[in-house]
Amino acid sequence: EPEVTQTPSHQVTQMGQEVILRCVPISNHLYFYWYRQILGQKVEFLVSFYNNEISEKSEIFDDQFSVERPDGSNFTLKIRSTKLEDSAMYFCASSEGTDWETQYFGPGTRLLVL
Amino acid sequence: SQQGEEDPQALSIQEGENATMNCSYKTSINNLQWYRQNSGRGLVHLILIRSNEREKHSGRLRVTLDTSKKSSSLLITASRAADTASYFCATDPNSGYALNFGKGTSLLVTP
Repeated sequence: EPEVTQTPSHQVTQMGQEVILRCVPISNHLYFYWYRQILGQKVEFLVSFYNNEISEKSEIFDDQFSVERPDGSNFTLKIRSTKLEDSAMYFCASSEGTDWETQYFGPGTRLLVL
Repeated sequence: SQQGEEDPQALSIQEGENATMNCSYKTSINNLQWYRQNSGRGLVHLILIRSNEREKHSGRLRVTLDTSKKSSSLLITASRAADTASYFCATDPNSGYALNFGKGTSLLVTP
């Protein structure tokens, strides 16, 4: 069964460093998303991406964040200058064109900012 | 902003029993979805119920939706130890793609 994959599974970085989290959505999906979950808290929407542009973003997704689909398979989230409060599990999700409402999530990347 | 809020926060039952989790939300929705999350893992989509549906089944899962009360319930019948996980409801606003998740119900099923 096709699934969303994410790399790396864990990343430790120093405050102020740039990180890139990578995702490979399900191959025929057209909508892509990033969410995050701070430890012990609920999953929060960051951004959605369709047709090579951001379709919606939350207040969390400020200028420090960017997304890119550099090729036909990868979808990345970049945090330019990480802060301690960026420590969280980051989930990528994708959905297909006809049933775009059902989002399929990857296993997540656990980011720890020191 | 609208958010799903589940209750109870935690539920402990024995194998074979049924587990019922509830979700309430605040504003109108297109649909409501339930997800499962095993400890430290990703979210697994369980079921989606649209705003014009009242009940939906999938295997041992039964979901109801009452839009007049802005609430939904997830029933897991004949629970198994493997059902131990956190369960989240997520609402889909009318205006966009973002899913709004609740804080979840932590279910423990003991053998």
